[in-house]
Amino acid sequence: NAGVTQTPKFRVLKTGQSMTLLCAQDMNHEYMYWYRQDPGMGLRLIHYSVGEGTTAKGEVPDGYNVSRLKKQNFLLGLESAAPSQTSVYFCASNDRTNSPLHFGNGTRLTVT
Amino acid sequence: RKEVEQDPGPFNVPEGATVAFNCTYSNSASQSFFWYRQDCRKEPKLLMSVYSSGNEDGRFTAQLNRASQYISLLIRDSKLSDSATYLCVVNRGTTDSWGKLQFGAGTQVVVTP
Repeated sequence: NAGVTQTPKFRVLKTGQSMTLLCAQDMNHEYMYWYRQDPGMGLRLIHYSVGEGTTAKGEVPDGYNVSRLKKQNFLLGLESAAPSQTSVYFCASNDRTNSPLHFGNGTRLTVT
Repeated sequence: RKEVEQDPGPFNVPEGATVAFNCTYSNSASQSFFWYRQDCRKEPKLLMSVYSSGNEDGRFTAQLNRASQYISLLIRDSKLSDSATYLCVVNRGTTDSWGKLQFGAGTQVVVTP
């Protein structure tokens, strides 16, 4: 039982490049989330999904898109990377509201 | 003002000592509260939920003070392995709670030999 798996673990992009971060969970969780974590700030919600085929904006959605075509996968896309998107990205999932979040190991992204 | 505020620390604690720290929240309608632990450069993991009556899990005690809108975490008999950043997490308490968790920036605890 792998839990929540994120790929890649590290990535360096040049400004304007695009990429997709993949999150996969094998716990049959309905809800999935993408957060970013920056120094001195709490985790901030980018986008989330309450079920297959649904997505919603979080606190800081600009510059990101997401898709949840399959229940177990939640993809985060950066269409045109900017240095302000340099951050650590965490995917998380849970099976109902207020249940503990299960996090992936994180993706460290640097945009130069 | 941030919705969830924490003293960033670090709290330097001798091994075996007790350390306590608080987290304040601004939304009086918040209903669910949690402490997560995050080790350096790793993912957060749930330490414990915080219940209205207060709760204990081994050496860890969490308290909720709704009147003053804060939660606290106390660690007794600190171990070197307790060194970590402790994240306060609060649910905003709206009927649609999905995605409404607010994370504090964390309190760093360093336990020294």
